[in-house]
Amino acid sequence: GNSVTQMEGPVTLSEEAFLTINCTYTATGYPSLFWYVQYPGEGLQLLLKATKADDKGSNKGFEATYRKETTSFHLEKGSVQVSDSAVYFCALANSGGSNYKLTFGKGTLLTVNP
Amino acid sequence: DAMVIQNPRYQVTQFGKPVTLSCSQTLNHNVMYWYQQKSSQAPKLLFHYYDKDFNNEADTPDNFQSRRPNTSFCFLDIRSPGLGDAAMYLCATSTTPGQGWRGYEQYFGPGTRLTVT
Repeated sequence: GNSVTQMEGPVTLSEEAFLTINCTYTATGYPSLFWYVQYPGEGLQLLLKATKADDKGSNKGFEATYRKETTSFHLEKGSVQVSDSAVYFCALANSGGSNYKLTFGKGTLLTVNP
Repeated sequence: DAMVIQNPRYQVTQFGKPVTLSCSQTLNHNVMYWYQQKSSQAPKLLFHYYDKDFNNEADTPDNFQSRRPNTSFCFLDIRSPGLGDAAMYLCATSTTPGQGWRGYEQYFGPGTRLTVT
């Protein structure tokens, strides 16, 4: 079956530090990969996505590259801000009949201090 | 703006008293999902509708039911809430091939925080 393993948190950084949150996956075929962000008390927002090998998703200074050879989709940002403090979820989706489901990792809490 | 709306944002119910959470969407997506999210955990899929076809997850308790009267609205009914049902409930939508396909990405509402007293 499908599974997503992401870096255990919490992660605490100072403003302008470099961020990496690791994510690896197990899936059959060619899944689509996503990073979602959840700010306190809110729903999930799609941060970026990649649908095939070597695709790079990017948004708001965040990037992640779909690496099929290492089954990874690590999230990076060169300079984090206090406003990036949130929980980040890595997720994958695989087709299967009409089952358009997401498989989530456990989430990584990021706290950025000024 | 097209969006997913959940009402209410906060709901308090008593132990054993039925409660209904609502979700509406202006995206005209044909798949709608309900998730349960407990503190510091990933969202857990309860069920989803593909148009009017209901798809229940194998481990979703019978206490949880859902209705989708039309494309825009979907309801989550908890027949007899227990203390363990206190959580954030998230509604999401997605497209399908042939309906403005945007891959498998899902669009989430802001959630309803349910408290059971």
